[in-house]
Amino acid sequence: AQSVTQPDIHITVSEGASLELRCNYSYGATPYLFWYVQSPGQGLQLLLKYFSGDTLVQGIKGFEAEFKRSQSSFNLRKPSVHWSDAAEYFCAVGERAGKSTFGDGTTLTVKP
Amino acid sequence: KAGVTQTPRYLIKTRGQQVTLSCSPISGHRSVSWYQQTPGQGLQFLFEYFSETQRNKGNFPGRFSGRQFSNSRSEMNVSTLELGDSALYLCASSLRVEGDEQYFGPGTRLTVT
Repeated sequence: AQSVTQPDIHITVSEGASLELRCNYSYGATPYLFWYVQSPGQGLQLLLKYFSGDTLVQGIKGFEAEFKRSQSSFNLRKPSVHWSDAAEYFCAVGERAGKSTFGDGTTLTVKP
Repeated sequence: KAGVTQTPRYLIKTRGQQVTLSCSPISGHRSVSWYQQTPGQGLQFLFEYFSETQRNKGNFPGRFSGRQFSNSRSEMNVSTLELGDSALYLCASSLRVEGDEQYFGPGTRLTVT
């Protein structure tokens, strides 16, 4: 069965610092991978996705993620964090977009 | 283009009652999925509909059901509500089923007392 692990429940970074959120997945075939962001009381917004091709994918809001098949990882990065990036981030894997398995999420706090 | 809309946004029900939640996908999207989000269990897949047919179902009891109409709008129903059903219910739509990204609505916050 497919699964997603986000090892960090909570991460705190200073504004302007770099960010990396970890995601490890378990899936039998080549997965579809997604990162979403959720602000309090809101739905999920897609940051980026990986289906195939270039393993470094660019997303919205200055985020990028790198797919590493050998490590079964899809870590999310941002070079310089803004206070507005404080939110909860979810990694997801799916055979297709309509049915995805989500990680437990990582809550990002940004210090001024 | 309007996003995914869900109604109502907030709902309070009593144990034993039933509830129906509604989701209108983005115009032209034919795939609708439902998820339950709770602090303890996280985001869990409920079911997925495409062209009025249920394509996948998550590991939820039969009290949870859904349907999709010809205009792609979807409803989910929960009967005999339990306290544990309190959650944020999220609907997501996508253009196609294979390899397409999902767009999420704001969710319906259900509280069962």
